[in-house]
Amino acid sequence: QQKVQQSPESLTVSEGAMASLNCTFSDGTSNNFRWYRQHSAKGLEVLVSIFSDGEKEEGRFTAHLNRANLHVSLHIREPQPSDSAVYLCAVSPNNNNAPRFGAGTKLSVKP
Amino acid sequence: EAAVTQSPRNKVAVTGGKVTLSCNQTNNHNNMYWYRQDTGHGLRLIHYSYGAGSTEKGDIPDGYKASRPSQENFSLILELATPSQTSVYFCASGAPTTNTGQLYFGEGSKLTVL
Repeated sequence: QQKVQQSPESLTVSEGAMASLNCTFSDGTSNNFRWYRQHSAKGLEVLVSIFSDGEKEEGRFTAHLNRANLHVSLHIREPQPSDSAVYLCAVSPNNNNAPRFGAGTKLSVKP
Repeated sequence: EAAVTQSPRNKVAVTGGKVTLSCNQTNNHNNMYWYRQDTGHGLRLIHYSYGAGSTEKGDIPDGYKASRPSQENFSLILELATPSQTSVYFCASGAPTTNTGQLYFGEGSKLTVL
């Protein structure tokens, strides 16, 4: 069974500083990775999807994937207070398999 | 815009009672999922479905049943609710054949079992 772990549990950054979130997974055959954002226990919105090693940028959000190290990260450039939310990492073998989620990182962005 | 609607949004049930959480999607997606979210655990997969008439067990199916009577509807059923099932439940739909394959989530159903 896929294990997905995220770190840190919580992170506080100042507005404009880079925020970096980490996610490790146990199944090295996975090739489907997404970062979701959740505001105040509401529904999740996808931020960025990545399917191969390297980097994928979507606006201010950049995902880095290194499958050999079983690691995917999310970097948020110039975070704003409205980015304060819980960020969840989702991993699955492919699009047709149910993704497994990490426990999330709670990000607070201070003005 | 993809839409997933859950009902009820809030529910208080008694121990031993039956609870049905409903989910409707207008995305015409084949795949639908039920997760629960608890502090410290993130989202955990309960049941999922690949299409009408199909249901599959996820990672924590004990105490839950699922029903997919149509492409649009996917229900989660708690036959004998227990306090340990107090949680926020999320339904999602997804289309594995699309380029992105992302999930679209409902707003969640908060269940309290007394």
